Amino acid sequence: SYELTQPSSVSVSPGQTARITCSGDILAKKFARWFQQKAGQAPVLVIYKDTERPSGIPERFSGSTSGTTVTLTISGAQVEDEADYYCYSAADNNLGVFGTGTKVTVL
Amino acid sequence: EVHLVESGGGLIQPGGSLRISCAASGFTVSRTYMTWVRQAPGKGLEWVSVIYSGGSTYYADSVKGRFTISRDNSRNTLYLQMNSLRAEDTAVYYCATDLLTGYGGPANWGQGTLVTVSS
Repeated sequence: SYELTQPSSVSVSPGQTARITCSGDILAKKFARWFQQKAGQAPVLVIYKDTERPSGIPERFSGSTSGTTVTLTISGAQVEDEADYYCYSAADNNLGVFGTGTKVTVL
Repeated sequence: EVHLVESGGGLIQPGGSLRISCAASGFTVSRTYMTWVRQAPGKGLEWVSVIYSGGSTYYADSVKGRFTISRDNSRNTLYLQMNSLRAEDTAVYYCATDLLTGYGGPANWGQGTLVTVSS
């Protein structure tokens, strides 16, 4: 099976930059997505194809990639960005996999 | 507008069966990628299953042989038949599709339906 590893938590002050990493072998050849999930809500796609941002997602959200690690960056984090964040990818065998999840605290 | 509404969740005893549904509107289920993702209480997201437009299906090892994904084109609805349920299958089950990116991963999500497996 494939695994995607994320830090369990990241803390940032309002207006500062938060970076969340996601590491896994499949990321060297497969695109990743990032989801934001607030308490009691369904996930929301914030980044796809490693670096692309869907329409309606604020520009402060960006993605980058290097080897087997992808990174979600929140530049100028806002209080409303406090949430759980998950990376996602799919292997050659068409099985999807989510990262372990990162709780982002903005305070 | 893309809309996904899950239903059919509830309390079921271990070893039992349940079918949950995902009614779609704003697009045609049979023409796109559809997936199920679950989230146990207080835990992270877990990918469960996918069905592609051509009909190919794939399952996570944790549910393979017990769960079956299918769709009813006339009802424009996605299903997940769950058999031999276990306590560890307790979760909110989300259906998702991708009408945002064109790259075939979860993108548009429903609000989920809770399945509780307990005696």
